[in-house]
Amino acid sequence: DQQVKQNSPSLSVQEGRISILNCDYTNSMFDYFLWYKKYPAEGPTFLISISSIKDKNEDGRFTVFLNKSAKHLSLHIVPSQPGDSAVYFCAASAGGGTSYGKLTFGQGTILTVHP
Amino acid sequence: EAGVVQSPRYKIIEKKQPVAFWCNPISGHNTLYWYRQNLGQGPELLIRYENEEAVDDSQLPKDRFSAERLKGVDSTLKIQPAELGDSAVYLCASRGLAGGTDTQYFGPGTRLTVL
Repeated sequence: DQQVKQNSPSLSVQEGRISILNCDYTNSMFDYFLWYKKYPAEGPTFLISISSIKDKNEDGRFTVFLNKSAKHLSLHIVPSQPGDSAVYFCAASAGGGTSYGKLTFGQGTILTVHP
Repeated sequence: EAGVVQSPRYKIIEKKQPVAFWCNPISGHNTLYWYRQNLGQGPELLIRYENEEAVDDSQLPKDRFSAERLKGVDSTLKIQPAELGDSAVYLCASRGLAGGTDTQYFGPGTRLTVL
């Protein structure tokens, strides 16, 4: 039972263009969502999060959008840079609007940004 | 601020042997998590500690896995005996604030190979 799904195993974009990574979830109890970036041989690094009371959160080049009715969220990276090349994980928590409790992760999307 | 520290980084053992992983969370973080990440998948929670207490161990295979966090700081995860299917990356995380945002911080992980 995959409660968080990232249906695109990989994404390739040109430097300077927009990268859009997508994530779908099925559990209506999820109320806090996070995106992590992971480089090889390192642990996941927190990027950005959003509470279910919001539909958008922005931090520099990174913006996360949440569509609760569709149970869908997306991460936009603008402009994309070669250093953004990594595996991106979407995660969700039913922790009362926090990351308390367990995080349920998607399978990850490999982003490659070409110079 | 030092991050989550894990050791060893890599471990190769033969099946039926015991193995242990160590984690030192970020100072002041009371909540500690152990996750397992299989190849091509996102991390999955094994156990969550609040100080010394294991508050969620529902996904820990208790026949062969054990964990402890005796003084509410460092934690050890043990497998005895290891099986071929235990080959994975074992990640430790602790919960705190990143620039005011509630998140889980991950260590680099221990990559276990069972032969």
